[in-house]
Amino acid sequence: RKEVEQDPGPFNVPEGATVAFNCTYSNSASQSFFWYRLDCRKEPKLLMSVYSSGNEDGRFTAQLNRASQYISLLIRDSKLSDSATYLCVVISNTGKLIFGQGTTLQVKP
Amino acid sequence: DVKVTQSSRYLVKRTGEKVFLECVQDMDHENMFWYRQDPGLGLRLIYFSYDVKMKEKGDIPEGYSVSREKKERFSLILESASTNQTSMYLCASRQQGSIQPQHFGDGTRLSIL
Repeated sequence: RKEVEQDPGPFNVPEGATVAFNCTYSNSASQSFFWYRLDCRKEPKLLMSVYSSGNEDGRFTAQLNRASQYISLLIRDSKLSDSATYLCVVISNTGKLIFGQGTTLQVKP
Repeated sequence: DVKVTQSSRYLVKRTGEKVFLECVQDMDHENMFWYRQDPGLGLRLIYFSYDVKMKEKGDIPEGYSVSREKKERFSLILESASTNQTSMYLCASRQQGSIQPQHFGDGTRLSIL
């Protein structure tokens, strides 16, 4: 089993839709969690940190579920510009940083 | 702000050439990383270094080597470039033990002809 797993997709949604991605992790002692956005031919950009209490930034909401060992990213009112690959990142209690494979989102007009 | 600088944005080399990709960071970070990014495969770790003169293999080290002679500089070496090494290469750095994620360079798009 991979340490961090994501559904690679692609998720094809119409503009205005709400879409959610999950990312599961195997190490229950993992400390920190993040979502990155990856655009073709560009470096990854940190999208947001993920906390147990939830974290909201405009149309984006990130949530951590420690009991079930997953993090989620919810995007409301999808825009064409949201089309990208979304990577989850988990930092373990030993400081090891692990990327998920990424989930590809395509927002269609 | 942390700055991670990769020496080239675009590079074109020939099969069999020895290729050097350079990365410099200015925040005295102990940890440095080299990834390659390919469509549908996300980010894959090639090598990383926890400190000067230390290196560890990542998930796909074959065909690559690295050098960390100084703390701020981490070089990726393609010993004999092959066409399947055409990719986007990303360097990153991080403070040892930090719970914060990595800082990435702008990437080097390498084409091997």
